[in-house]
Amino acid sequence: AQTVTQSQPEMSVQEAETVTLSCTYDTSENNYYLFWYKQPPSRQMILVIRQEAYKQQNATENRFSVNFQKAAKSFSLKISDSQLGDTAMYFCAFMKHVRGSQGNLIFGKGTKLSVKP
Amino acid sequence: DAMVIQNPRYQVTQFGKPVTLSCSQTLNHNVMYWYQQKSSQAPKLLFHYYDKDFNNEADTPDNFQSRRPNTSFCFLDIRSPGLGDAAMYLCATSRTSGIPYEQYFGPGTRLTVT
Repeated sequence: AQTVTQSQPEMSVQEAETVTLSCTYDTSENNYYLFWYKQPPSRQMILVIRQEAYKQQNATENRFSVNFQKAAKSFSLKISDSQLGDTAMYFCAFMKHVRGSQGNLIFGKGTKLSVKP
Repeated sequence: DAMVIQNPRYQVTQFGKPVTLSCSQTLNHNVMYWYQQKSSQAPKLLFHYYDKDFNNEADTPDNFQSRRPNTSFCFLDIRSPGLGDAAMYLCATSRTSGIPYEQYFGPGTRLTVT
């Protein structure tokens, strides 16, 4: 069974600074996907960034980037130039590749990020 | 905008009184999911529909059932809610064509059991 571990229950960062959220996972699968989802207070969960395990290049989306270390089973999220709107719960998630079908998301327990002015 | 809609956003029910939560989508996605998210915990998948095929997670209690009458709608039925069923219930959708692995979430329904 796959597991996802986020070791930082809460973090804070000053506006405009950079913060890194940690995530490790355990799997015996070789083909899978990793995600970071953002859940703002009282708002819906949205996808921040995704990484295909077969890709060596780290994914980036504007101010968000990941450090994917497949051998170490590590998938951290870096947020640059933090903004007040980045305040949210961040979930790391794993999905194994299921040929011709749709795999299920397995979430970590989340990291609550507060961006301070 | 195409989206996932959940109604109601807040639901209060009594212990043991059946309750139904609804989800609709305008994305025309063929897969729909129901997650349970208890306070300060990760979302936990209850079940999903792949088209009309129902897929139950092994540890989902029998108290929880689901219906998907058409592509756009999916319902979560809780037959006899207990205090432990108080949670946020999230609906999500995805598709199996194009980029198949992104899930789109609704805003959730917060269920209170009194």
